[in-house]
Amino acid sequence: NAGVTQTPKFQVLKTGQSMTLQCAQDMNHEYMSWYRQDPGMGLRLIHYSVGAGITDQGEVPNGYNVSRSTTEDFPLRLLSAAPSQTSVYFCASTKPEAPYEQYFGPGTRLTVT
Amino acid sequence: GENVEQHPSTLSVQEGDSAVIKCTYSDSASNYFPWYKQELGKRPQLIIDIRSNVGEKKDQRIAVTLNKTAKHFSLHITETQPEDSAVYFCAAMKTSYDKVIFGPGTSLSVIP
Repeated sequence: NAGVTQTPKFQVLKTGQSMTLQCAQDMNHEYMSWYRQDPGMGLRLIHYSVGAGITDQGEVPNGYNVSRSTTEDFPLRLLSAAPSQTSVYFCASTKPEAPYEQYFGPGTRLTVT
Repeated sequence: GENVEQHPSTLSVQEGDSAVIKCTYSDSASNYFPWYKQELGKRPQLIIDIRSNVGEKKDQRIAVTLNKTAKHFSLHITETQPEDSAVYFCAAMKTSYDKVIFGPGTSLSVIP
């Protein structure tokens, strides 16, 4: 049981490049989400999904796309990277019953130059 | 939408003292309030949670209180130890299938 996995661990992009951050979970959780973490800003929700084929915007969705074709995978796409997207990105999946614990992946540290 | 505020942003205590972190939320429909601990370079992990039908919950040295009327909830850590040093996040949500909104975090330092 690997839990939540994310790839890559580190990434450097140039402004304007696009890329996909991968996230997968093997706990059969319907609910998954993406957060970005910046110093002093906490964990801000980018997008979330309540099941395959269903996604919705969080607090800071601009510049990011998501899709959910399977229960296991929830990739995050950066369409045209900007320096403001330099951050640590966490993917999480949530237990469907109390205590509704969110299991976070190890994170991806992204730098946009 | 939901907005969660958290205070203080940094907190320094002597080992053995107590630490209190306070959060407020804006959406009166929120009914579940978890707390996460994030050690340096690691992922956040759930340490305790409270549901809106409960006023207080305790787990060893950690307790959480909730005032639904005032939309306040707090984390209390007693007999702090150096390994309690971390960033703590409060969060609020309505159901298990609703978005989880986090506060900005509190960096706790426990001085030996």
